Amino acid sequence: GAGVSQSPSNKVTEKGKDVELRCDPISGHTALYWYRQSLGQGLEFLIYFQGNSAPDKSGLPSDRFSAERTGGSVSTLTIQRTQQEDSAVYLCASSFGQGTYEQYFGPGTRLTVT
Amino acid sequence: QQQVKQSPQSLIVQKGGISIINCAYENTAFDYFPWYQQFPGKGPALLIAIRPDVSEKKEGRFTISFNKSAKQFSLHIMDSQPGDSATYFCAASNSGFNKFYFGSGTKLNVKP
Repeated sequence: GAGVSQSPSNKVTEKGKDVELRCDPISGHTALYWYRQSLGQGLEFLIYFQGNSAPDKSGLPSDRFSAERTGGSVSTLTIQRTQQEDSAVYLCASSFGQGTYEQYFGPGTRLTVT
Repeated sequence: QQQVKQSPQSLIVQKGGISIINCAYENTAFDYFPWYQQFPGKGPALLIAIRPDVSEKKEGRFTISFNKSAKQFSLHIMDSQPGDSATYFCAASNSGFNKFYFGSGTKLNVKP
């Protein structure tokens, strides 16, 4: 079956603009995760959804970042008033849910803020 | 504070050799420790994982060694192959699996 998909694959935006990144998880996966991977760095946890709920938003770097998930499926990560330090690859992962461990990652969205 | 520390940053191994990557953690509440493999332009993929109730887990050429008292775990790749050349990440999570902490990654280059 299809894996996790993310769109766009690449996004170049000007500083100060808003961007939306989309994640389509594997069908039936109730848990969804967003991570940020800066060049040559590890993955930084941003937010976790169980269904449509995000019980812990403490990983979001600032209030310019927000995320939502609708219908227990598609998720959108929004970055408002983008800054150059937001440039990174944003990765989404999904899993069957609590108690099931394996996360399946999408290919990521490479965001470049000029 | 970095929750999971990984070393080395890069590693060069000859084909057929053993690759060893180490990770250390601080939070004793962690109870799930996966390793991920990432090729350029791709998302990470789960390689192997361990729970702290065992000291070792082996899957094919890949072995995790876990030392609970030292709060350390390591990945051993036996008979390393050029196809193993990738970036490897260790990670840790608590039993809720609602947050994962990743190491900074190790870029492995296996020379033919």
